[in-house]
Amino acid sequence: DQQVKQNSPSLSVQEGRISILNCDYTNSMFDYFLWYKKYPAEGPTFLISISSIKDKNEDGRFTVFLNKSAKHLSLHIVPSQPGDSAVYFCAAISGNFNKFYFGSGTKLNVKP
Amino acid sequence: KAGVTQTPRYLIKTRGQQVTLSCSPISGHRSVSWYQQTPGQGLQFLFEYFSETQRNKGNFPGRFSGRQFSNSRSEMNVSTLELGDSALYLCASTRDRDGEQYFGPGTRLTVT
Repeated sequence: DQQVKQNSPSLSVQEGRISILNCDYTNSMFDYFLWYKKYPAEGPTFLISISSIKDKNEDGRFTVFLNKSAKHLSLHIVPSQPGDSAVYFCAAISGNFNKFYFGSGTKLNVKP
Repeated sequence: KAGVTQTPRYLIKTRGQQVTLSCSPISGHRSVSWYQQTPGQGLQFLFEYFSETQRNKGNFPGRFSGRQFSNSRSEMNVSTLELGDSALYLCASTRDRDGEQYFGPGTRLTVT
């Protein structure tokens, strides 16, 4: 039973527009969430994170929003660039920071 | 400083064989986690080692095992390989308990 779900396997966005990637989770005890980006033939790289005590974290073009009541988080990329084309994974961390629960990923394609 | 390295990068085995994968963490990182990535399941946590001790374990059968050496290098072993074990195996290292995970490039295992 997946505790972290990314229901959209793919997303296509025009360059310059906003990309919104969504993630849902089931365990209200998660207290830290992360987004990773993965290019083909490479391992995932950390992108941005958010603690459960916050509802928003911003880093340049990337903003993560957390809605604890809905158990939902989203990653906004504004403006989207062709180099952002990759697979994006959201992840949740259990309370002891040892175990990461990952979603199945969303493939983002930013068209020039 | 050098990133996380994994060897080999690609491996082809037949059913019933066993395989050992190696991971060298970033210098100074003492925690190493292993993940399996498949197209349908996303990233699934296998186990985590810290200071030569398995600290956490995912829901994988006993055919999957690992160990960590005093220099923090880690190995993962899969015995009696099955076709379903074909996947990208990623390891990640972390400096401390609430640090970000840095992933290696992965080992692509194909079981025929």
